[in-house]
Amino acid sequence: EVQLVESGGGLVQPGGSLRLSCAASGFTLSSYWMHWVRQVPGKGLVWVSRMSSDGSTINYADSVQGRFTISRDNAKNTLSLQMNSLRAEDTAVYYCTRGLVATRYFDYWGQGTLVTVSS
Amino acid sequence: EIVLTQSPGTLSLSPGERATLSCRASQSVSNNYLAWYQQKLGQAPRLLIYGASYRATGIPDRFSGSGSGTDFTLTISRLEPEDFAVYYCQHYDTSPSYSFGQGTKLEIK
Repeated sequence: EVQLVESGGGLVQPGGSLRLSCAASGFTLSSYWMHWVRQVPGKGLVWVSRMSSDGSTINYADSVQGRFTISRDNAKNTLSLQMNSLRAEDTAVYYCTRGLVATRYFDYWGQGTLVTVSS
Repeated sequence: EIVLTQSPGTLSLSPGERATLSCRASQSVSNNYLAWYQQKLGQAPRLLIYGASYRATGIPDRFSGSGSGTDFTLTISRLEPEDFAVYYCQHYDTSPSYSFGQGTKLEIK
């Protein structure tokens, strides 16, 4: 059974950093494109970042470019998102998702982890 | 970037009725790269339809997708109690760009 379990969310002050992790089971992360998608509670979905199956392609939404870094640990089958210089507008639930049809859609989602940026 | 506009914002129907949800794109969607997701309160989204009309694994056949160009539709043929949720459409293009509609809330009448 495919499972994605995020962790690492919490309360952080503006300008601070946080590292999210996504533990995958039931499949091998390095065989799929993987993504982070976020959602402000009660609002819509916004794509954040992606990494290709071979790790050679990494992309970010303009809103997080230069502040967030996606990475992967193949030995631990874990995806990460390092978030620096956090802003109030980064407050959201962050979902780890697996790509379907290479990278066009998102077929499995974790339960999400809440990041709150506030002083 | 393509903007997706979903309508209606809220749809009130009864179990057993047919639901028709719309997703309109600001430009033509290439290769029908359009998906639909269901999200229940407090849960992660679930993929229902991809490629405009292909049901994802395990999705009941009462869910169907159609459309091309700028107009897409998600149809639920006979509503079950568990179908009341928020539905989002999503588009991909190769820039890369992933855009979501603002959602349609399907509520019990």
